[in-house]
Amino acid sequence: DAGVIQSPRHEVTEMGQEVTLRCKPISGHNSLFWYRQTMMRGLELLIYFNNNVPIDDSGMPEDRFSAKMPNASFSTLKIQPSEPRDSAVYFCASSLALQRRHGNTIYFGEGSWLTVV
Amino acid sequence: DQQVKQNSPSLSVQEGRISILNCDYTNSMFDYFLWYKKYPAEGPTFLISISSIKDKNEDGRFTVFLNKSAKHLSLHIVPSQPGDSAVYFCAASPNRDDKIIFGKGTRLHILP
Repeated sequence: DAGVIQSPRHEVTEMGQEVTLRCKPISGHNSLFWYRQTMMRGLELLIYFNNNVPIDDSGMPEDRFSAKMPNASFSTLKIQPSEPRDSAVYFCASSLALQRRHGNTIYFGEGSWLTVV
Repeated sequence: DQQVKQNSPSLSVQEGRISILNCDYTNSMFDYFLWYKKYPAEGPTFLISISSIKDKNEDGRFTVFLNKSAKHLSLHIVPSQPGDSAVYFCAASPNRDDKIIFGKGTRLHILP
Protein backbone atom coordinates (compact mmCIF):
# COMPACT_ATOMS: atom_id res chain seq x y z
CA ASP A 1 0.00 0.00 0.00
CA ALA A 2 1.25 3.46 -0.87
CA GLY A 3 1.70 5.73 2.07
CA VAL A 4 1.26 9.50 2.19
CA ILE A 5 3.07 10.94 -0.81
CA GLN A 6 4.58 14.41 -0.70
CA SER A 7 6.30 16.47 -3.36
CA PRO A 8 8.75 17.97 -3.82
CA ARG A 9 11.09 16.24 -1.37
CA HIS A 10 13.47 19.17 -1.47
CA GLU A 11 12.95 22.75 -2.59
CA VAL A 12 15.37 25.64 -2.59
CA THR A 13 13.87 28.95 -3.57
CA GLU A 14 14.63 32.62 -3.37
CA MET A 15 12.92 34.96 -0.97
CA GLY A 16 9.76 36.39 -2.45
CA GLN A 17 9.02 33.41 -4.68
CA GLU A 18 5.86 31.34 -4.43
CA VAL A 19 6.22 27.82 -3.05
CA THR A 20 3.65 25.06 -3.51
CA LEU A 21 3.90 21.81 -1.57
CA ARG A 22 1.74 18.86 -2.58
CA CYS A 23 0.29 15.90 -0.75
CA LYS A 24 -1.56 12.75 -1.71
CA PRO A 25 -3.09 11.12 1.37
CA ILE A 26 -3.55 7.40 1.86
CA SER A 27 -6.50 6.20 -0.17
CA GLY A 28 -9.65 6.02 1.93
CA HIS A 29 -8.42 8.37 4.63
CA ASN A 30 -10.73 11.28 5.32
CA SER A 31 -8.57 13.52 7.52
CA LEU A 32 -5.49 15.36 6.30
CA PHE A 33 -2.99 17.36 8.33
CA TRP A 34 -0.18 19.76 7.48
CA TYR A 35 2.65 20.07 10.04
CA ARG A 36 5.85 22.09 10.05
CA GLN A 37 8.99 20.96 11.87
CA THR A 38 11.63 23.41 13.07
CA MET A 39 14.34 23.15 15.71
CA MET A 40 12.77 25.88 17.80
CA ARG A 41 9.14 24.83 17.72
CA GLY A 42 9.22 21.11 17.01
CA LEU A 43 6.22 19.72 15.09
CA GLU A 44 3.57 22.41 14.71
CA LEU A 45 0.10 21.68 13.36
CA LEU A 46 -0.66 24.24 10.66
CA ILE A 47 -4.06 23.13 9.43
CA TYR A 48 -6.21 20.05 9.15
CA PHE A 49 -9.06 18.97 6.91
CA ASN A 50 -11.87 16.52 7.46
CA ASN A 51 -13.73 15.28 4.37
CA ASN A 52 -11.94 17.97 2.35
CA VAL A 53 -13.20 20.79 4.58
CA PRO A 54 -10.72 22.87 6.61
CA ILE A 55 -11.57 22.32 10.27
CA ASP A 56 -8.85 24.18 12.13
CA ASP A 57 -6.37 26.58 10.53
CA SER A 58 -5.36 28.34 13.73
CA GLY A 59 -1.80 27.14 13.32
CA MET A 60 -1.26 28.83 9.97
CA PRO A 61 1.41 31.42 10.78
CA GLU A 62 0.16 34.28 8.63
CA ASP A 63 -1.70 35.23 5.49
CA ARG A 64 1.22 34.26 3.32
CA PHE A 65 0.26 30.63 3.99
CA SER A 66 -2.76 28.99 2.42
CA ALA A 67 -3.91 25.39 2.05
CA LYS A 68 -6.49 23.73 -0.13
CA MET A 69 -7.97 20.29 -0.53
CA PRO A 70 -9.94 20.24 -3.78
CA ASN A 71 -10.66 16.52 -3.52
CA ALA A 72 -10.10 13.53 -1.25
CA SER A 73 -6.80 12.57 -2.89
CA PHE A 74 -4.94 15.86 -3.11
CA SER A 75 -3.94 18.83 -1.00
CA THR A 76 -1.62 21.78 -1.42
CA LEU A 77 0.14 24.12 0.98
CA LYS A 78 1.18 27.39 -0.62
CA ILE A 79 3.50 30.08 0.68
CA GLN A 80 3.43 33.39 -1.15
CA PRO A 81 5.70 35.26 -0.89
CA SER A 82 8.21 32.99 0.80
CA GLU A 83 10.67 34.27 3.43
CA PRO A 84 13.87 32.75 4.88
CA ARG A 85 12.11 32.08 8.20
CA ASP A 86 9.78 29.71 6.37
CA SER A 87 12.68 27.29 5.93
CA ALA A 88 11.60 24.05 7.60
CA VAL A 89 10.44 20.52 6.91
CA TYR A 90 6.75 20.41 6.03
CA PHE A 91 4.93 17.15 6.72
CA CYS A 92 1.59 16.00 5.44
CA ALA A 93 -0.28 13.28 7.34
CA SER A 94 -3.57 11.48 6.92
CA SER A 95 -5.91 9.32 8.97
CA LEU A 96 -9.27 7.63 8.95
CA ALA A 97 -10.81 9.78 11.62
CA LEU A 98 -13.34 7.35 13.00
CA GLN A 99 -10.81 4.55 13.30
CA ARG A 100 -8.36 6.82 15.08
CA ARG A 101 -10.62 7.12 18.07
CA HIS A 102 -10.35 3.37 18.47
CA GLY A 103 -6.60 3.15 18.48
CA ASN A 104 -5.36 3.87 14.99
CA THR A 105 -3.42 6.99 14.32
CA ILE A 106 -2.17 9.44 11.71
CA TYR A 107 0.36 8.47 9.07
CA PHE A 108 3.03 10.87 7.93
CA GLY A 109 4.66 11.39 4.57
CA GLU A 110 8.42 11.73 4.28
CA GLY A 111 8.27 15.52 4.31
CA SER A 112 9.18 18.38 2.01
CA TRP A 113 12.42 20.12 2.93
CA LEU A 114 12.09 23.80 2.14
CA THR A 115 14.99 26.24 2.09
CA VAL A 116 14.31 29.88 1.33
CA VAL A 117 17.44 31.91 0.63
CA ASP B 1 2.24 28.34 24.46
CA GLN B 2 3.19 24.67 24.38
CA GLN B 3 0.31 22.40 25.36
CA VAL B 4 2.53 19.33 25.13
CA LYS B 5 5.96 19.71 26.72
CA GLN B 6 9.01 17.53 26.42
CA ASN B 7 11.53 19.24 28.66
CA SER B 8 14.51 17.04 27.83
CA PRO B 9 15.88 17.84 24.36
CA SER B 10 18.15 14.80 24.50
CA LEU B 11 18.84 11.65 26.48
CA SER B 12 21.69 9.14 26.38
CA VAL B 13 21.20 5.58 27.63
CA GLN B 14 23.46 2.54 27.67
CA GLU B 15 22.40 -0.31 25.43
CA GLY B 16 20.42 -2.89 27.41
CA ARG B 17 19.30 -0.40 30.04
CA ILE B 18 15.90 1.23 30.39
CA SER B 19 15.13 4.46 28.52
CA ILE B 20 12.52 6.72 30.09
CA LEU B 21 11.16 9.63 28.09
CA ASN B 22 8.88 12.11 29.81
CA CYS B 23 6.08 14.35 28.64
CA ASP B 24 3.80 16.85 30.37
CA TYR B 25 0.61 18.41 29.06
CA THR B 26 -1.50 21.35 30.11
CA ASN B 27 -4.86 20.84 28.41
CA SER B 28 -7.27 18.83 30.56
CA MET B 29 -9.38 18.18 27.43
CA PHE B 30 -6.74 15.81 26.04
CA ASP B 31 -8.03 12.26 26.20
CA TYR B 32 -5.78 10.34 23.82
CA PHE B 33 -1.99 10.28 23.91
CA LEU B 34 0.56 8.97 21.46
CA TRP B 35 4.28 8.51 21.01
CA TYR B 36 5.94 8.77 17.64
CA LYS B 37 9.46 7.90 16.60
CA LYS B 38 11.39 9.74 13.92
CA TYR B 39 14.59 8.82 12.12
CA PRO B 40 16.55 11.47 10.14
CA ALA B 41 15.13 12.29 6.72
CA GLU B 42 11.98 10.28 7.39
CA GLY B 43 8.49 11.12 8.57
CA PRO B 44 7.43 10.34 12.15
CA THR B 45 6.02 6.85 12.65
CA PHE B 46 3.50 5.77 15.24
CA LEU B 47 4.91 3.84 18.19
CA ILE B 48 2.29 3.42 20.91
CA SER B 49 -0.78 5.16 22.29
CA ILE B 50 -2.93 5.29 25.39
CA SER B 51 -6.47 6.39 26.09
CA SER B 52 -7.23 8.50 29.14
CA ILE B 53 -9.32 5.68 30.60
CA LYS B 54 -6.13 3.65 31.09
CA ASP B 55 -2.96 4.30 33.07
CA LYS B 56 -0.69 1.86 31.26
CA ASN B 57 -0.32 0.34 27.84
CA GLU B 58 2.35 -2.13 26.85
CA ASP B 59 3.59 -3.30 23.47
CA GLY B 60 6.68 -5.47 23.52
CA ARG B 61 9.63 -3.45 24.77
CA PHE B 62 7.56 -0.25 24.89
CA THR B 63 5.29 0.81 27.74
CA VAL B 64 3.47 4.09 28.10
CA PHE B 65 2.32 5.27 31.52
CA LEU B 66 -0.30 7.97 32.05
CA ASN B 67 -0.77 9.95 35.25
CA LYS B 68 -3.83 12.11 34.63
CA SER B 69 -3.76 13.91 37.97
CA ALA B 70 -0.21 15.07 37.26
CA LYS B 71 -0.89 15.57 33.53
CA HIS B 72 2.19 13.50 32.84
CA LEU B 73 3.02 10.57 30.65
CA SER B 74 6.17 8.61 30.08
CA LEU B 75 7.51 6.11 27.59
CA HIS B 76 9.67 3.26 28.86
CA ILE B 77 11.84 1.25 26.50
CA VAL B 78 13.42 -1.86 27.96
CA PRO B 79 15.87 -3.14 27.04
CA SER B 80 17.15 -0.26 24.91
CA GLN B 81 18.65 -1.26 21.57
CA PRO B 82 20.86 0.66 19.09
CA GLY B 83 17.95 0.94 16.63
CA ASP B 84 16.02 2.89 19.25
CA SER B 85 18.27 5.91 18.65
CA ALA B 86 15.87 8.45 17.17
CA VAL B 87 13.77 11.50 18.06
CA TYR B 88 10.68 10.66 20.08
CA PHE B 89 7.63 12.89 19.94
CA CYS B 90 4.91 12.92 22.55
CA ALA B 91 1.48 13.90 21.21
CA ALA B 92 -2.04 14.43 22.49
CA SER B 93 -5.52 14.79 21.07
CA PRO B 94 -8.44 16.69 22.59
CA ASN B 95 -11.77 15.06 23.32
CA ARG B 96 -14.03 14.83 20.25
CA ASP B 97 -11.40 16.47 18.05
CA ASP B 98 -9.25 14.85 15.42
CA LYS B 99 -6.24 17.12 15.65
CA ILE B 100 -3.05 15.88 17.29
CA ILE B 101 -0.71 18.29 19.10
CA PHE B 102 2.97 17.33 19.29
CA GLY B 103 5.75 18.22 21.68
CA LYS B 104 9.18 19.40 20.53
CA GLY B 105 10.68 15.94 20.74
CA THR B 106 13.48 14.23 22.69
CA ARG B 107 16.52 12.86 20.90
CA LEU B 108 17.45 9.47 22.33
CA HIS B 109 21.00 8.17 21.92
CA ILE B 110 21.61 4.53 22.73
CA LEU B 111 25.27 4.08 23.66
CA PRO B 112 27.10 0.83 22.84
